[in-house]
Amino acid sequence: GDSVTQMEGPVTLSEEAFLTINCTYTATGYPSLFWYVQYPGEGLQLLLKATKADDKGSNKGFEATYRKETTSFHLEKGSVQVSDSAVYFCALSDQNRGSTLGRLYFGRGTQLTVWP
Amino acid sequence: EAQVTQNPRYLITVTGKKLTVTCSQNMNHEYMSWYRQDPGLGLRQIYYSMNVEVTDKGDVPEGYKVSRKEKRNFPLILESPSPNQTSLYFCASSLPQASGRNNEQFFGPGTRLTVL
Repeated sequence: GDSVTQMEGPVTLSEEAFLTINCTYTATGYPSLFWYVQYPGEGLQLLLKATKADDKGSNKGFEATYRKETTSFHLEKGSVQVSDSAVYFCALSDQNRGSTLGRLYFGRGTQLTVWP
Repeated sequence: EAQVTQNPRYLITVTGKKLTVTCSQNMNHEYMSWYRQDPGLGLRQIYYSMNVEVTDKGDVPEGYKVSRKEKRNFPLILESPSPNQTSLYFCASSLPQASGRNNEQFFGPGTRLTVL
């Protein structure tokens, strides 16, 4: 079945450090891939997405590239800020399963803390 | 403003006392879903609804009920809450996959439930 595995953390970095959060997936069809972010006390917000192989999603300095050959969608940012401290969730939506149209499969989340 | 609202945001109750958490969206979305978030487990889907009067179980439906009488509302009902239902609950909505919007889900702010 469909599933997402992501680096569990917690991840602690100094401001301006480079960030990578690993995410790999298993899917039977051709999934769309997402990164969601959850700031303290808030709901999840879509950070970026990619809908087909080799697509790169980007937003707010974060990037992730849909790699079909390695079934991965790693999140990266070149220089993190204190305001990036949050929980990050990798997710997939399998487009070829009509009975689960709309379903998102989430990873367990990675807590990121950035220190000044 | 396009949004998903949940009420209440915080609730402390006792075992066996029926409760309802409301969810409402103003984006005319067909698809709605309930998740619970627990430490180390990420988000797990409880129930989802593809449209009015169409609901189905997610991964952890035991102890919960839902209804979808109107497109905008999707309440979560706990008929007899137990302590293991203490959790953070999120409602989400989206357009269906076929719309071509790649299934971005919009999340409510969350309801923190404690069952004593």
